[in-house]
Amino acid sequence: NAGVTQTPKFQVLKTGQSMTLQCAQDMNHNSMYWYRQDPGMGLRLIYYSASEGTTDKGEVPNGYNVSRLNKREFSLRLESAAPSQTSVYFCASSEGQGVGYTFGSGTRLTVV
Amino acid sequence: EDQVTQSPEALRLQEGESSSLNCSYTVSGLRGLFWYRQDPGKGPEFLFTLYSAGEEKEKERLKATLTKKESFLHITAPKPEDSATYLCAVQADTGGFKTIFGAGTRLFVKA
Repeated sequence: NAGVTQTPKFQVLKTGQSMTLQCAQDMNHNSMYWYRQDPGMGLRLIYYSASEGTTDKGEVPNGYNVSRLNKREFSLRLESAAPSQTSVYFCASSEGQGVGYTFGSGTRLTVV
Repeated sequence: EDQVTQSPEALRLQEGESSSLNCSYTVSGLRGLFWYRQDPGKGPEFLFTLYSAGEEKEKERLKATLTKKESFLHITAPKPEDSATYLCAVQADTGGFKTIFGAGTRLFVKA
């Protein structure tokens, strides 16, 4: 089925470890996004890529880096994980501005 | 500052009992208001986009409406399978690609 695929689905890290969350979409969308979702809070934008070759910071970028590898793939890297980064991470894509997003199924990350 | 506030936080309904969810927003200029449905353990699923006050969209038992300050998601004769968290989000016309999400309303429909 067409959509957004995220890997892994679950991950446990120790404080200070690094990891990369992978995201790929097969809808030929131009724009891609990384959000985190914490209990009682709305989805918060970490980074986004308006189009291939560009990336920009969102609301909560500290402690993260991103790479738009090509039009399909957009990865999120945690260089030195902290317990405050325990969250559910969602990747999303869209054709552009002013339209709804297609979300992946999420990565549940726990940092101990 | 752009803001989205959803109420109530949780809503419990009997099957067939119609009700509405509220989304109040503050934004400098609205490019679009979005409604999503999120089931436990899954990503949000897009439902509607509304662009201007007075606009309405419908899908099965759901109807979304928009005014200059708020949006309502009306649920008519809900069924247990409508149980989910409903998220509201706005994109400002000066906000580039940034979409602001509300915390959501958890809906429980009992048979």
